[in-house]
Amino acid sequence: NAGVTQTPKFQVLKTGQSMTLQCAQDMNHNSMYWYRQDPGMGLRLIYYSASEGTTDKGEVPNGYNVSRLNKREFSLRLESAAPSQTSVYFCASRSSFHSYTFGSGTRLTVV
Amino acid sequence: DQQVKQNSPSLSVQEGRISILNCDYTNSMFDYFLWYKKYPAEGPTFLISISSIKDKNEDGRFTVFLNKSAKHLSLHIVPSQPGDSAVYFCAASANNFNKFYFGSGTKLNVKP
Repeated sequence: NAGVTQTPKFQVLKTGQSMTLQCAQDMNHNSMYWYRQDPGMGLRLIYYSASEGTTDKGEVPNGYNVSRLNKREFSLRLESAAPSQTSVYFCASRSSFHSYTFGSGTRLTVV
Repeated sequence: DQQVKQNSPSLSVQEGRISILNCDYTNSMFDYFLWYKKYPAEGPTFLISISSIKDKNEDGRFTVFLNKSAKHLSLHIVPSQPGDSAVYFCAASANNFNKFYFGSGTKLNVKP
């Protein structure tokens, strides 16, 4: 099915470990996004890529890096995970209008 | 400080009745608003939108109302169905579709 695919779905990390969250879309969308969802906070934008080759910071970029590998793929990297990064991470893509298509999320726990 | 607020964490409604979900915002520059629905273990899915040049937008059972002077929008679902049970997020942007600010969500439970 067409859409946004995120891997992995679940991950437990120890403090200080690194990992990369993967995201791919097959809808030929130009823009891609990484959000995190925390209880009582809604979704907050971490980074986005308006088009292939560009990336920009969102509301909460500290502690993260991103790579827009090609038009399909947008990865999120935690270089040194901290307990404050325990969250559910959503990747999304958008064509030319306002509607985002979200992936099903990655539940990350940092212990 | 959150620029988009959904002050009701949960709402319970009887099947067939109206559900009203509320959302307040603080930034007067916001000019485009979205509602998303989210089921457990799934990503949010787009429901309905409204531009600041309108005060109402309808799509089937779903209607969004915008009161710019009060910085308030609401989503009406009529009639409510058990399948509408989900978490509803409102989101707003200020002339930038790359940056939407989301509320914390309202969990709607529609009882049969």
